[in-house]
Amino acid sequence: GAGVSQTPSNKVTEKGKYVELRCDPISGHTALYWYRQSLGQGPEFLIYFQGTGAADDSGLPNDRFFAVRPEGSVSTLKIQRTERGDSAVYLCASSLGTITYEQYFGPGTRLTVT
Amino acid sequence: AQSVAQPEDQVNVAEGNPLTVKCTYSVSGNPYLFWYVQYPNRGLQFLLKYITGDNLVKGSYGFEAEFNKSQTSFHLKKPSALVSDSALYFCAVRDLRGFKTIFGAGTRLFVKA
Repeated sequence: GAGVSQTPSNKVTEKGKYVELRCDPISGHTALYWYRQSLGQGPEFLIYFQGTGAADDSGLPNDRFFAVRPEGSVSTLKIQRTERGDSAVYLCASSLGTITYEQYFGPGTRLTVT
Repeated sequence: AQSVAQPEDQVNVAEGNPLTVKCTYSVSGNPYLFWYVQYPNRGLQFLLKYITGDNLVKGSYGFEAEFNKSQTSFHLKKPSALVSDSALYFCAVRDLRGFKTIFGAGTRLFVKA
């Protein structure tokens, strides 16, 4: 079946601009996660959704970052007033449930802020 | 605070030899431990997990891992390495207090033919 998909695969934007990154989880997966991965590092947790609600957003670095999942499926990560330090690969993952369930990752969106 | 350490940036092993990729963790309470693999130009893939029960867990592609509570370790092992095992391996931990998963920095495994 279809895996987790993310669009766009690459995004180049200028400092100060607004960007949206999209994630389509595996059908039926209620849990959805966003991570950020910098070169040479492991994924860094940003936010977790259970259904439509953000159950844990403790990893969002500041109020420029926001994510939604209005219908409990597709999610959008929104970054306002982008900074060069936001450049990274943004990963989305979904799972059937929480805590004990493994996550299925998308290919990521490479964001470059110039 | 919970954390994961992968002390080796890279592990080199000859094809056919056993391999070990090390992972230690720090978490309050009982840990839930995972290994993921990242092949070039592909997304992270789940390999195996320890939730409870037998300390030796088996996963995909012939990999296994041993949970050691006293040493707070969860090392990944394979009896006989393949060139195709060459990839980036991540250990991850989460605990009962939240939904956050903490990943290690990754270990690059290089298997030489």
